[in-house]
Amino acid sequence: QVQLVESGGGLVKPGGSLRLSCAASGFTFSDYYMSWIRQAPGKGLEWVSYISSSSSYTNYADSVKGRFTISRDNAKNSLYLQMNSLRAEDTAVYYCARGNGVATVSDYWGQGTLVTVSS
Amino acid sequence: SSELTQDPAVSVALGQTVRITCQGDSLRSYYASWYQQKPGQAPVLVIYGKNNRPSGIPDRFSGSSSGNTASLTITGAQAEDEADYYCNSRDSSGNHHVVFGGGTKLTVL
Repeated sequence: QVQLVESGGGLVKPGGSLRLSCAASGFTFSDYYMSWIRQAPGKGLEWVSYISSSSSYTNYADSVKGRFTISRDNAKNSLYLQMNSLRAEDTAVYYCARGNGVATVSDYWGQGTLVTVSS
Repeated sequence: SSELTQDPAVSVALGQTVRITCQGDSLRSYYASWYQQKPGQAPVLVIYGKNNRPSGIPDRFSGSSSGNTASLTITGAQAEDEADYYCNSRDSSGNHHVVFGGGTKLTVL
């Protein structure tokens, strides 16, 4: 069965960096777009970024563009999110999700990893 | 602010039908997807495309669209349907960004 397991979250100071990982299994990872979506405590869902199956295309929300970098390693069935210059408003649960044909349709989600940006 | 607008809260009596709506300019060109999220859990896709249900989603969930409004209908709401519901689609800026609605809290009475 499809499984997505995020890791790498934690407490980081403003201005710091963190790298999230998402380990995928149960499907042919290299065939699918993948996304990162976040949810601040008590708030709604916010799309962060997506990457095409071959890494040829990436896209970012304006709120993270220039600070976050999405990448993937199809040989390792893994998705990554490098987060730099972190701000308090980046505090959220970060989910990785599989795209169903298009990046806007996320048919499987991981359980999320919490990132807290605080001094 | 979200480019997709949802009512913050909707309630429905057990066994009755409820419609949750999502409004936005991009919905004139792109389908919405709908996600259910229960407290402490990851979102689950319930409707995508014109009106497609992933495997395992009960057929009481259906989707429709008209103009700039997409709708999720639950016919015969069950207690377990109480959750937050989010729509999403492409944005209307031409940047191929993804946008989510602010979410609707569904209460089953």
